[in-house]
Order: sequence, then structure tokens, then C-alpha cells
Amino acid sequence: AQSVTQLGSHVSVSEGALVLLRCNYSSSVPPYLFWYVQYPNQGLQLLLKYTSAATLVKGINGFEAEFKKSETSFHLTKPSAHMSDAAEYFCAVRIQGAQKLVFGQGTRLTINP
Amino acid sequence: EAGVAQSPRYKIIEKRQSVAFWCNPISGHATLYWYQQILGQGPKLLIQFQNNGVVDDSQLPKDRFSAERLKGVDSTLKIQPAKLEDSAVYLCASSFRQGIQDEQFFGPGTRLTVL
Repeated sequence: AQSVTQLGSHVSVSEGALVLLRCNYSSSVPPYLFWYVQYPNQGLQLLLKYTSAATLVKGINGFEAEFKKSETSFHLTKPSAHMSDAAEYFCAVRIQGAQKLVFGQGTRLTINP
Repeated sequence: EAGVAQSPRYKIIEKRQSVAFWCNPISGHATLYWYQQILGQGPKLLIQFQNNGVVDDSQLPKDRFSAERLKGVDSTLKIQPAKLEDSAVYLCASSFRQGIQDEQFFGPGTRLTVL
């Protein structure tokens, strides 16, 4: 069965610093991978998705992620953090033939002024 | 375009009581999902509907949870009787179709506290 592991339940960076949120997946077949963001008291919003096209995927709000099959990773990055990036981030996996999204446990991102 | 609507936003009940949540998906979206998000965890799919038919309810605790989508539009999720471990945020999501690339749009959720 497919699964995702997010390394680090909390990440704290300074405003303007690089953001790196880690996600590793487990799947016996090529996966589709997603990053979602959740602001307090709101639902999840799709940041970006990998669907077997380009391995470097650009999303909203300046975020991007790179699919690395050899490392079974799909880490999320942003070159320069902004205070508004403070939120919870979830990595998720979905495979052909399986309907459901399987989410990681989430990483809470804090931005220090 | 209006998003996914959910009500109520917050609910506090005693254990063994019943509770119901309502979801209205984005207009035209055939697929509707209910997720349970326990504090500190990622969302877990409880049930998926395609129009008014159930596609996947493998993780729904059927002894106490039920859901319906009678007219293929809005949906209700019920818990009867509630247990302490049911305290969570219940998220509803919808997508145009159930294809792997179809984006799921999430509502704001209902936060349930069971005392």
C-alpha cells in the first residue's frame, strides 16, 4: 500500500530564508504526488502536484517541489519565506487504480520575523 | 465560483450523543469525499461518493458512522453514538470527476469535540 512520511512535524525558519519541507513516499507503482497547505480554521488548498510530466513542479505562492524517484522523495521548497507562509503543510500520494489520497501527518511551518 | 460549504463549523457534544454534519459541494462536482482529521495527523478518507453511489467506505466505522448523498448533491455524515476518540475536524471535499488528476477542493471543516 502507498504511504507518505513527512520528516519533521515542526519547521521554523526566519523571514527571507529558504523553506524546505521533506516528504518521502512509498509506492510499488508510479505515484501521483501532491502538496496541500492548511491555514488555521480553513480547509486544505492545493499547492502543487506531480503527475509524471516534468519532475520539477512549480506551484502557487512561489513554492516548488522536485520528484526524485531514486530517493523516493518529493520535497517542497521556497527560496524566500514570507510571514504569510506560516501554516500546516501536507504531502499526499495517489496511485492509478486507487481512488483515495493518502496524506502524511503534516508539517507545521513557523516563520520568525 | 462558490466553494465547498460545511455546517456547522463547530460542535460540542457529550459522549454517546448523536451528531450530524452537512456538506454542499461545488456545483457540478460529481465526486464527494468525507475526511476525518485528528489533531496532529493528516486527513483520513472516511467515505467517497460518485454521484449518489458509494465508491469507497473501507475506513468508515460502520457501527457508528453513516453517510448519505441521496440526490447526488449535498451530503450528511452522522455519528451515533459518539465516542471520545471521534473528536476531530471533519472535512468535506469535492471534485469534478474521480480521475487521478482531478483536484479535490476542500471545505473549511467541522470541528467536533466529544466530552
